[in-house]
Amino acid sequence: EDQVTQSPEALRLQEGESSSLNCSYTVSGLRGLFWYRQDPGKGPEFLFTLYSAGEEKEKERLKATLTKKESFLHITAPKPEDSATYLCAVQADERSQGNLIFGKGTKLSVKP
Amino acid sequence: DTGVSQNPRHKITKRGQNVTFRCDPISEHNRLYWYRQTLGQGPEFLTYFQNEAQLEKSRLLSDRFSAERPKGSFSTLEIQRTEQGDSAMYLCASSPGSKWFTEAFFGQGTRLTVV
Repeated sequence: EDQVTQSPEALRLQEGESSSLNCSYTVSGLRGLFWYRQDPGKGPEFLFTLYSAGEEKEKERLKATLTKKESFLHITAPKPEDSATYLCAVQADERSQGNLIFGKGTKLSVKP
Repeated sequence: DTGVSQNPRHKITKRGQNVTFRCDPISEHNRLYWYRQTLGQGPEFLTYFQNEAQLEKSRLLSDRFSAERPKGSFSTLEIQRTEQGDSAMYLCASSPGSKWFTEAFFGQGTRLTVV
């Protein structure tokens, strides 16, 4: 069964303290891996798409990387406004018809 | 049009009543998805449309749920005879139809509370 596991469930950082969030996946045929940010009571906001192992994407303080089994979201010198839940999702093979399989997310808190 | 729009944002209903939600996708997007999210969980896929055709339904979508996308534009999700277990955030997303696997953009969701 296709599965996405995110760790840790929650992460508390001090402002400026860099860290990484992990997303491990087991799917029959990965077609794409997606990172989203979700603020409380809001819908997920798209961050990155990764398609193949070795691929990297960057946006401001965030950098996403992909291997054959997992993806990392690196946060460099975070600020309090980076506090949110970060969701990882995958699209598997053609049987999924394009829908996304999400992990439960990592809740990030950045204290000033 | 700057994003996916969902209405209403919040809905409180009594158990047994019917409710309907509306989603307006990004105008040039052919694909439209419905997801459900409960507290502490990631979104779970419910169904998706390619233009006006409903191409896939999750087994989570019981007979009490129905979704439509007339004319391939906006979509509605109806829940009949609501139950307390239906309480959740219902999310709509859309994506361009040019490739199978491309990012989906989400709306702000409709929070349903069944009392």
